Amino acid sequence: GENVEQHPSTLSVQEGDSAVIKCTYSDSASNYFPWYKQELGKGPQLIIDIRSNVGEKKDQRIAVTLNKTAKHFSLHITETQPEDSAVYFCAPSAGGSYIPTFGRGTSLIVHP
Amino acid sequence: GAVVSQHPSWVICKSGTSVKIECRSLDFQATTMFWYRQFPKQSLMLMATSNEGSKATYEQGVEKDKFLINHASLTLSTLTVTSAHPEDSSFYICSALSGVSYEQYFGPGTRLTVT
Repeated sequence: GENVEQHPSTLSVQEGDSAVIKCTYSDSASNYFPWYKQELGKGPQLIIDIRSNVGEKKDQRIAVTLNKTAKHFSLHITETQPEDSAVYFCAPSAGGSYIPTFGRGTSLIVHP
Repeated sequence: GAVVSQHPSWVICKSGTSVKIECRSLDFQATTMFWYRQFPKQSLMLMATSNEGSKATYEQGVEKDKFLINHASLTLSTLTVTSAHPEDSSFYICSALSGVSYEQYFGPGTRLTVT
């Protein structure tokens, strides 16, 4: 099955700094690469995703980059704000099943 | 955006009783729904995949007789925890797969506490 690793496990930044979280996967058939944000006591929320035919996607302060050759994709958050503090999960999936394999999560802490 | 609801948001039950959790996609049809379990400070663990009108597919190690899943319509899936025990206490989250965008939308979760 898919082996997913996410780094770092914890990331602490000052407000206004940039944050980058990396997700490495093993299944070369993976073709859907989402990032989810989970706040305490809530369900995950899809914040950005990318498919295998695209190398980068941006939505305001959030971007995702994909390197299919190296089998990793990254979440980039610029101009971080305290409300960005949450746990972020990557969850790549392959083929038509769309069954994701979740990374262990990254706890992002943005200090005001 | 797409909305998925879960009911109840939290429940406390006595050991030995059964609890039903509902998951609804409010503004889209979902041929596939997923059920997850999450322990504190851990990642989401997929329990089962349910497709409308057919039996759920359970992940290895998940007891299908204990965690009954019914996907009765394109907008509703239910998870019933039968004969609950304290070790079943957890945060249960459902998600629905949009048949149009193939994006997965998560419910807000249900906190189950078994005493």
